[in-house]
Amino acid sequence: TQLLEQSPQFLSIQEGENLTVYCNSSSVFSSLQWYRQEPGEGPVLLVTVVTGGEVKKLKRLTFQFGDARKDSSLHITAAQPGDTGLYLCAGAGSARQLTFGSGTQLTVLP
Amino acid sequence: KAGVTQTPRYLIKTRGQQVTLSCSPISGHRSVSWYQQTPGQGLQFLFEYFSETQRNKGNFPGRFSGRQFSNSRSEMNVSTLELGDSALYLCASSPQGQGGRTGELFFGEGSRLTVL
Repeated sequence: TQLLEQSPQFLSIQEGENLTVYCNSSSVFSSLQWYRQEPGEGPVLLVTVVTGGEVKKLKRLTFQFGDARKDSSLHITAAQPGDTGLYLCAGAGSARQLTFGSGTQLTVLP
Repeated sequence: KAGVTQTPRYLIKTRGQQVTLSCSPISGHRSVSWYQQTPGQGLQFLFEYFSETQRNKGNFPGRFSGRQFSNSRSEMNVSTLELGDSALYLCASSPQGQGGRTGELFFGEGSRLTVL
């Protein structure tokens, strides 16, 4: 069974601060995705990382895939209230089924 | 390109009743996956359909069932509803399914089910 652990589970910060969310596993994934979900809506795909060590940037968001393809991080610079939401990582592995992390609930206070 | 459409968005049922939820995937997507989301359990995988065949199934009782039609639209059914079935049910479509190289999913807005 492939498991993905996300940390922290909850994060409340002030506007303008930086933050990092982690997604860790003992399993190797062929790719890893990050989603953001806002209240009352479904998750929206932010990015997919495929290559070990890969770094992708999406405006103020930086995503990194670990060299061994077992972990990933999401770093947000100068967080804004619009970044508030549930961040989910999901790994594609040998089970032909995505494995979702438990999520990080981010609240950015104005 | 239209996104994934789920109906109904909200519904209230009583214990013992049954419910059917509908999902229309993105045009051209052959895979539809269903998830149950609750605050305590997070996203729980129900099943995936690809070209009308159930490709994978999560660890849910037989009261939860689904099907996919030739136009890729999918329905899921929950019979003999229990209070614990109250949740957001999410449908997601994908061109190649979760077994594809990246397995990216495109989610609908969900159907919020409340069981009284």
